[in-house]
Amino acid sequence: AQRVTQPEKLLSVFKGAPVELKCNYSYSGSPELFWYVQYSRQRLQLLLRHISRESIKGFTADLNKGETSFHLKKPFAQEEDSAMYYCALLSSGGSYIPTFGRGTSLIVHP
Amino acid sequence: DSGVTQTPKHLITATGQRVTLRCSPRSGDLSVYWYQQSLDQGLQFLIQYYNGEERAKGNILERFSAQQFPDLHSELNLSSLELGDSALYFCASSPGLAGSTGELFFGEGSRLTVL
Repeated sequence: AQRVTQPEKLLSVFKGAPVELKCNYSYSGSPELFWYVQYSRQRLQLLLRHISRESIKGFTADLNKGETSFHLKKPFAQEEDSAMYYCALLSSGGSYIPTFGRGTSLIVHP
Repeated sequence: DSGVTQTPKHLITATGQRVTLRCSPRSGDLSVYWYQQSLDQGLQFLIQYYNGEERAKGNILERFSAQQFPDLHSELNLSSLELGDSALYFCASSPGLAGSTGELFFGEGSRLTVL
């Protein structure tokens, strides 16, 4: 069975500091991984997907199959990055149901 | 707003009661997903519909049922409610199966409180 683990419930940093939100997964197939974000009073929305290899709002995430990780990183955190971040894994094989982690609350202090 | 809409936003009811949560997907989206988020839990997948047909089932209790109507809106019915059913229920939609892009579009959620 697939599983997504986000070990930190809360991550607190100061503005300008680097940030890394951890995500580990277990899945027997070839994973597709995503990061979703929920800002205060907004809907949960897609931030980035590993297959696109893109940088969104300064965030990047690299899929490390050896370590089964997909950590989200940003070199210099901004206050507006404060939000709830969810890592998600998309299963293949016909069902295509995203499995979400518990989420990490990122607080960036001024 | 052509995004996913969920009603009601908040609902307070008593144990043993039955409630219906409603979801209208984005215009043109055929897939609807229901997720439950309890305290300290991630989003737990409940059920998915695609173009009116049940497509996949997660950890959905037998007391819960859902359907998707011809106009593509969906309803999640929760019956014989227990205190532990108190949670935020999210609906999400996607144009087809999520595998095509992996992106789901979420509603704001319906917060259910069972007293």
